[in-house]
Amino acid sequence: ELQVLESGGGLVQPGGSLRLSCAASGFTFNSYAMSWVRQAPGKGLEWVSTISGSGGSTYNADSVKGRFTISRDNSKNTLYLQMNSLRAGDTAVYYCARVGGIAVAGFEDYWGQGTLVTVST
Amino acid sequence: EIVMTQSPATLSVSPGERATLSCRASQSVSSNLAWYQQKPGQAPRFLISGTSTRATGIPARFSGSGSGTEFTLTISSLQSEDFAVYYCQQYNTWPLTFGGGTKVEIK
Repeated sequence: ELQVLESGGGLVQPGGSLRLSCAASGFTFNSYAMSWVRQAPGKGLEWVSTISGSGGSTYNADSVKGRFTISRDNSKNTLYLQMNSLRAGDTAVYYCARVGGIAVAGFEDYWGQGTLVTVST
Repeated sequence: EIVMTQSPATLSVSPGERATLSCRASQSVSSNLAWYQQKPGQAPRFLISGTSTRATGIPARFSGSGSGTEFTLTISSLQSEDFAVYYCQQYNTWPLTFGGGTKVEIK
């Protein structure tokens, strides 16, 4: 069964850092691009970052450029999101999702249950 | 950035009726348009890619159409499990962008 499971969320102070992880199983991990998508409380979906299957290409939303870094370890079937210089506006549920299709720019076909990141004093 | 605009924000429909949701892009996204369903407290569920291709296991009552800048998701006969928020997403151009969502509620 295909599964993606996020972890690493929690409460962090403004300016702090956090690393999210996403463990994938049930598919050939290195054959698929992966994305992070977030959802602020009561709001809609916002794409954050995408990484190619090899890890050689990454794409980021302007709102997180220079602060967040997406990476992956294909030997561990794990996706990461390193978040630095966190702001109150980064408070959201962060979803890990597999990118369907062949292209790196694609729809997200399988989603984890999400992990909540709260940035507050 | 391509802005995706969904309308209406809320759609009140009776069970068994047809629901038509709209999604407009600020510039052409070709056919690179996806739809998702989200219920309260749950992760989004992938419904449709490439404007009209249903994901595995998605019932035939869900259909997508359109091209370029105008897209539609139609639910032909609403079932109780279909009341949810629906999002469109363009994946033609970076950054990927989502619409603000349409909430389909029971009338």
